[in-house]
Amino acid sequence: QSVLTQPPSVSGAPGQRVTISCTGSSSNIGADYDVHWYLHLPGTAPNLLMFGNNNRPSGVPDRFSGSKSGTSASLAISGLQSEDEADYYCLSYDSSLSGPVFGGGTKLTVV
Amino acid sequence: EVQLVQSGGGLVQPGGSLKLSCAASGFTFSGSAMHWVRQASGKGLEWVGRIRSKPNSYATAYAASVKGRFTISRDDSKSTAYLQMNSLTTEDTAVYYCTRRSGDNSQSYFDYWGQGDLVTVSS
Repeated sequence: QSVLTQPPSVSGAPGQRVTISCTGSSSNIGADYDVHWYLHLPGTAPNLLMFGNNNRPSGVPDRFSGSKSGTSASLAISGLQSEDEADYYCLSYDSSLSGPVFGGGTKLTVV
Repeated sequence: EVQLVQSGGGLVQPGGSLKLSCAASGFTFSGSAMHWVRQASGKGLEWVGRIRSKPNSYATAYAASVKGRFTISRDDSKSTAYLQMNSLTTEDTAVYYCTRRSGDNSQSYFDYWGQGDLVTVSS
């Protein structure tokens, strides 16, 4: 299993708000390493959604927001749209492994 | 425009070798740390390894799952990074991505990605 734990799936109706959690430990998120988020569609390259815990790259709508506290981080998506259906991954750094670590990924379904 | 164009993927038998390439343009390749990430079918993203820039001695690091079998190198004159994969097993079947790290520290993230290259290990 992944060093960073994400729920395998989340779902929501169009217009609703969902959150995706990313839980780590004292050697990664809890050690004050930043958390970054990616959107990944099958067959394409991952797309950066959030960097440095709560910073959106240009072009990412403000419906997406990030937060971090203690050994966990969250990605919130408000005003759900059908095009938000994708896999979402968190990324951080782990001092014990001396390298970047990804969460296991969360599949978002807009029902 | 930043581009990372990958090549070299394909079908290889167990125990065989394959070398992936990642040709970069649109940024100062020589100053960037380059990483490789893979995704097996139905699985999540997995960090494979990285190579730092010349000022950082071209230092490499690898995930435990590939250490001793995979080697990352770079040719700054060609703005190209490489992933040499030896002693391949079926567990290495995956789409491999090259990606650029935004900085060269533990708080950096992957900002640009290649299109991905499928490596299939099968007899």
